[in-house]
Amino acid sequence: EVQLVQSGAEVKKPGESLKISCKGSGYSFTSYWIGWVRQMPGKGLEWMGIIYPGDSDTRYSPSFQGQVTISADKSISTAYLQWSSLKASDTAMYYCAVGLRTDAFDIWGQGTMVTVSS
Amino acid sequence: DIVMTQSPDSLAVSLGERATINCKSSQSVLYSSNNKNYLAWYQQKPGQPPKLLIYWASTRESGVPDRFSGSGSGTDFTLTISSLQAEDVAVYYCQQYYSTPLTTFGPGTKVDIK
Repeated sequence: EVQLVQSGAEVKKPGESLKISCKGSGYSFTSYWIGWVRQMPGKGLEWMGIIYPGDSDTRYSPSFQGQVTISADKSISTAYLQWSSLKASDTAMYYCAVGLRTDAFDIWGQGTMVTVSS
Repeated sequence: DIVMTQSPDSLAVSLGERATINCKSSQSVLYSSNNKNYLAWYQQKPGQPPKLLIYWASTRESGVPDRFSGSGSGTDFTLTISSLQAEDVAVYYCQQYYSTPLTTFGPGTKVDIK
């Protein structure tokens, strides 16, 4: 079964760092772009960026460039999204997603809720 | 960047009636080399990740009921639910992937029962 399994919910304080994960299985992890999508509470979907695990080619939305880092470890079929200094405004659900049959996202992770509060 | 807009923001439709959602891109998402529109539609229910419904503007994902259909080309697209069911209450998003691997989503349209 093709699936993306994300790490669990996180509660952090402003200024702290964080790295969340997304593990792919059931397909060739290195052959497909994996994207990250933010959804703030009660709001829509925002594409953050994407990585090709085969060569770590990474692209960012201008809105998120410099705010987060996307990486991948192909040896364990896992993609990451990390922050060096969280802000309250980073509170959101974060999804990873991959497109296996088209460049649309046909497989989604279950989401990781990140809460940043003092 | 390609900007996606959707209309309406929300709509309420009686059970069994038709629901129509519009999506517009700021530039054409039709690739002339393969004559495909790089446009997808997603359904998101509360507490769930988005689910792909339609890709290439009009191709239904496997398992998606045939009451869902997509149409349009170039910059203007429509998602139609031909006979609204209670389980269709959700937010619907369009997405362009013409600039793949870069992509953008529309702001979403909330569908409720009248």
